Amino acid sequence: KNEVEQSPQNLTAQEGEFITINCSYSVGISALHWLQQHPGGGIVSLFMLSSGKKKHGRLIATINIQEKHSSLHITASHPRDSAVYICAVRYVIQGAQKLVFGQGTRLTINP
Amino acid sequence: KAGVTQTPRYLIKTRGQQVTLSCSPISGHRSVSWYQQTPGQGLQFLFEYFSETQRNKGNFPGRFSGRQFSNSRSEMNVSTLELGDSALYLCASSLGPTGQSYEQYFGPGTRLTVT
Repeated sequence: KNEVEQSPQNLTAQEGEFITINCSYSVGISALHWLQQHPGGGIVSLFMLSSGKKKHGRLIATINIQEKHSSLHITASHPRDSAVYICAVRYVIQGAQKLVFGQGTRLTINP
Repeated sequence: KAGVTQTPRYLIKTRGQQVTLSCSPISGHRSVSWYQQTPGQGLQFLFEYFSETQRNKGNFPGRFSGRQFSNSRSEMNVSTLELGDSALYLCASSLGPTGQSYEQYFGPGTRLTVT
């Protein structure tokens, strides 16, 4: 079992729809990251969370530490939101930091 | 402020050769992390440098190495290239060590093809 599981793997929606991408992990973490990767490879760090909820524009990220689960929400989705969204968890094992990535969710927003 | 720059952007090498990739962080950033992205394995952490010291290392063989210079620029080296090393190599910089919750800024990546 992967340490980080994302769902769905692929998501297609119409412009304006509310989008939810989920991330589950199996270890105790120090932080969780949400990244956005556009075609061509450029990556942007969207959020870094260790508890609660963060909001930036139309993007909202939540994390439930007890349930080992995080969600990324996009309100009023737009075709420019089309990208791969990647969840990553950071944890410490035997004194060393470890960073593990999910496989990503490919989001396509149609006009 | 200029973003993270990586050189070269594209590279083709032959099996058995070695390669050096370069990353220049955002001015003032002292931490540089390297990542490998392949279609099969996705994104994987390679290593992190802060103030010229390697702080963390992922699960990669010793053929993968790196270093950081006093101006925070970093290089990674892969020796004895294998076909499976074909990947997008990304670096990211931050003000401080990533374990202390500093935000990371990613470069555009170097796409390495091994033939």
